[in-house]
Amino acid sequence: GQQVMQIPQYQHVQEGEDFTTYCNSSTTLSNIQWYKQRPGGHPVFLIQLVKSGEVKKQKRLTFQFGEAKKNSSLHITATQTTDVGTYFCAVFFSGTYKYIFGTGTRLKVLA
Amino acid sequence: DVKVTQSSRYLVKRTGEKVFLECVQDMDHENMFWYRQDPGLGLRLIYFSYDVKMKEKGDIPEGYSVSREKKERFSLILESASTNQTSMYLCASSLQMNTEAFFGQGTRLTVV
Repeated sequence: GQQVMQIPQYQHVQEGEDFTTYCNSSTTLSNIQWYKQRPGGHPVFLIQLVKSGEVKKQKRLTFQFGEAKKNSSLHITATQTTDVGTYFCAVFFSGTYKYIFGTGTRLKVLA
Repeated sequence: DVKVTQSSRYLVKRTGEKVFLECVQDMDHENMFWYRQDPGLGLRLIYFSYDVKMKEKGDIPEGYSVSREKKERFSLILESASTNQTSMYLCASSLQMNTEAFFGQGTRLTVV
C-alpha cells in the first residue's frame, strides 16, 4: 500500500538542543498534517500544510512542506521536556481514499 | 469540542474469543477510522468508513471486521482473537477525509 516514511524513528536530545523529523512520500501530496502523541496519550492534531513550499510556525515549532509536495519537516527549536512524545505526519491519498500515518518519530528530551 | 469515546481503556481477552471495540463520536463527522498502534510501526489503518453502512479496508484488515449502523458509532470486531492482535487500538473521526482527525483515548487489548 501507499507509505509515508518518517525519519528518524527515535531521537534523544539534551534540553535546549534542536530537533527535526522528516516525512517523505513517493507521490505528490495534496496536503499533510502533523500530530503529537504524548506518552500514554492519543495523537493530537498540530497543523496542516497545503501549499508548495509552505512554512508555518507555532512558537518553537516550524513546519515546512517541500516544493514538490512530496516531503515535509517539523523542526523544534530549543527543545523542552514538554516536547517529549511521538510526532506523526499524516497524509490523505485521494486515489485510495485512505488517511495514512507515518511511522512516527519518538522524541526524548534529557534535562 | 469534538469528543471521540472508546468503550474500554483496557481489555484482556482469550484466544478465539469474539471481541467488540466500540467507538462513538459526538460531532456528526462523516468519516471514522480504526488504527492499531505497535512500537516501531506507527499507526496502521485497519478499516475506515465515510458514511453510514459504508466501510472500506485499510492496510491491515485481515482478522477484523467493522460495523457502522449509525453515523456516530463505528465498531471494530475481532472475529476470533489471536495473540498477534494484542495492540493499542485507536479510533478517530473527521469531518472530511483530508482534514484534522480527532482520536479517542485508545483501547489497549491483550489477547492471552
